[in-house]
Amino acid sequence: GAGVSQSPRYKVAKRGQDVALRCDPISGHVSLFWYQQALGQGPEFLTYFQNEAQLDKSGLPSDRFFAERPEGSVSTLKIQRTQQEDSAVYLCASSPPTGLTEAFFGQGTRLTVV
Amino acid sequence: KQEVTQIPAALSVPEGENLVLNCSFTDSAIYNLQWFRQDPGKGLTSLLLIQSSQREQTSGRLNASLDKSSGRSTLYIAASQPGDSATYLCAVTQSGNTPLVFGKGTRLSVIA
Repeated sequence: GAGVSQSPRYKVAKRGQDVALRCDPISGHVSLFWYQQALGQGPEFLTYFQNEAQLDKSGLPSDRFFAERPEGSVSTLKIQRTQQEDSAVYLCASSPPTGLTEAFFGQGTRLTVV
Repeated sequence: KQEVTQIPAALSVPEGENLVLNCSFTDSAIYNLQWFRQDPGKGLTSLLLIQSSQREQTSGRLNASLDKSSGRSTLYIAASQPGDSATYLCAVTQSGNTPLVFGKGTRLSVIA
């Protein structure tokens, strides 16, 4: 596709439910980032992949958060046993392998935990 | 730890006015700086990217400047239009392909 695609756009989960959020980066982009954006705040870094390797997961808030990118393209962010404080917009961004390393973002997934 | 601050938090201007949004960062050792636009309920759209060696970038009515030594950037919007209403976010990276560190954004309203 032409841009970064995320699905679902909206997700309502009951507290304690597991959720999986998908990111389809721009074709050929090596780097993939996940960010979490709370209401009224700027996005905050969660984790970073270069191809299939997860090089940095220092931003994941707890061990309930897990991300993977097994074939170096599509990535999934999984949240286990969701809690109300997990409610946020989850944004995915990808960057080309060389050059300006400009980040291109998807539309995000708005997660609401009730 | 890098921190990014954006001032003002919100701004309301009449249509046609020129305006400046400010961004400051605490660690001047940045790789690049990027300005984004975010419409309500939407993702981020990249507006301008400035490499650390550059002083400014222009795209249409937008001009972004970078003073790396003082840790500041400005986004200048000329002849503002109601369609410019959105939240504008500033973000920096410390090196190639490291995470972006964002400010909280400036919420702009342009009144017709």
